[in-house]
Amino acid sequence: EAQVTQNPRYLITVTGKKLTVTCSQNMNHEYMSWYRQDPGLGLRQIYYSMNVEVTDKGDVPEGYKVSRKEKRNFPLILESPSPNQTSLYFCASSLSLTGNYGYTFGSGTRLTVV
Amino acid sequence: GQQVMQIPQYQHVQEGEDFTTYCNSSTTLSNIQWYKQRPGGHPVFLIQLVKSGEVKKQKRLTFQFGEAKKNSSLHITATQTTDVGTYFCAGWKLIFGQGTELSVKP
Repeated sequence: EAQVTQNPRYLITVTGKKLTVTCSQNMNHEYMSWYRQDPGLGLRQIYYSMNVEVTDKGDVPEGYKVSRKEKRNFPLILESPSPNQTSLYFCASSLSLTGNYGYTFGSGTRLTVV
Repeated sequence: GQQVMQIPQYQHVQEGEDFTTYCNSSTTLSNIQWYKQRPGGHPVFLIQLVKSGEVKKQKRLTFQFGEAKKNSSLHITATQTTDVGTYFCAGWKLIFGQGTELSVKP
């Protein structure tokens, strides 16, 4: 089944403890992106990647890192999480930047930083 | 950078009433996409519009792309409880509008 898989689905962590949220797609998509969703603010783009080793900042990149060493994986790294990074995170992928066939989203990761 | 604004933020309707959400961009869009997110779920792709003035239909849903390719709308005829969720438009590089949350009262 074609899908984007995020792990974990839920995570509670403490301030300053490094964490990684994984994202993997099995559709050979070139384009991948990370979003955070907060009430009243919609979906805000954190980082995106147009292909292996090609990443760029979105609207809210502060406090986050990403890497794209393989086409299928696009992990989101929080080096030193803070409470304001408590949010619902989504990973998405598409065949191309233009997304002519739509973007496929993962099921989301709900992160709480205490 | 590009901004995509969506209105209204919330819409409460009685089942059977129509619903419309509007999306406006600060810049001309090469294309626009629409997504639906059910409560507790993730965004799901509905449709993409590419051409100026384009109109597409999916059953009770009608999508329009403005002539200047800076605005778009989604209209749902005779809403049903299954239409509940948040509807998002998205422009270049999947920059999302804030979404319109639709609730439907049976």
